Amino acid sequence: QKEVEQNSGPLSVPEGAIASLNCTYSDRGSQSFFWYRQYSGKSPELIMSIYSNGDKEDGRFTAQLNKASQYVSLLIRDSQPSDSATYLCAVKPNFNKFYFGSGTKLNVKP
Amino acid sequence: DAGITQSPRHKVTETGTPVTLRCHQTENHRYMYWYRQDPGHGLRLIHYSYGVKDTDKGEVSDGYSVSRSKTEDFLLTLESATSSQTSVYFCAISSEGNQPQHFGDGTRLSIL
Repeated sequence: QKEVEQNSGPLSVPEGAIASLNCTYSDRGSQSFFWYRQYSGKSPELIMSIYSNGDKEDGRFTAQLNKASQYVSLLIRDSQPSDSATYLCAVKPNFNKFYFGSGTKLNVKP
Repeated sequence: DAGITQSPRHKVTETGTPVTLRCHQTENHRYMYWYRQDPGHGLRLIHYSYGVKDTDKGEVSDGYSVSRSKTEDFLLTLESATSSQTSVYFCAISSEGNQPQHFGDGTRLSIL
């Protein structure tokens, strides 16, 4: 079993719609969770961090964390073609290790 | 943007030659990491460092060695490059506690 699981996609949504990306993790003791965006040929870029159960909003992005169910999600409202990228979920179970999912590719169609 | 510089950005070399990739940071962060990223495999940890001269292996460390003689520099060496090590290599840094990683721009390495 992988430490972090993501659906590889691609997830296709029309412009203006809500994109929902999901991630599950196996280490129940994990405390820190991150979403990265990676454009083709570029490096991963941090877009959201979340540490407590519930929702955290930042502009068009909302991260949701449910530790009891061991899942993290990312909602992108009013999706734009520029949001088309691969989204990586990362979990930090302790102070020096990170585990990454394989990423979900998002396509936003104009 | 986090001050992380990877060099070289691109390299083409031949099988059997040694290769060294450099990661330089200006953030004074304690933790530094080397990943490789290949289609279908996502990011895989090669080695990481938790301080000067303190390093540990990741999940795909065979064929790679690292050194960290200064806080700001983390070197990745392929002692005798093989075609299976053709990949994109990313360096990342992180500070203490629950802080995230930040990535360098990557090195695209091709071994012929």
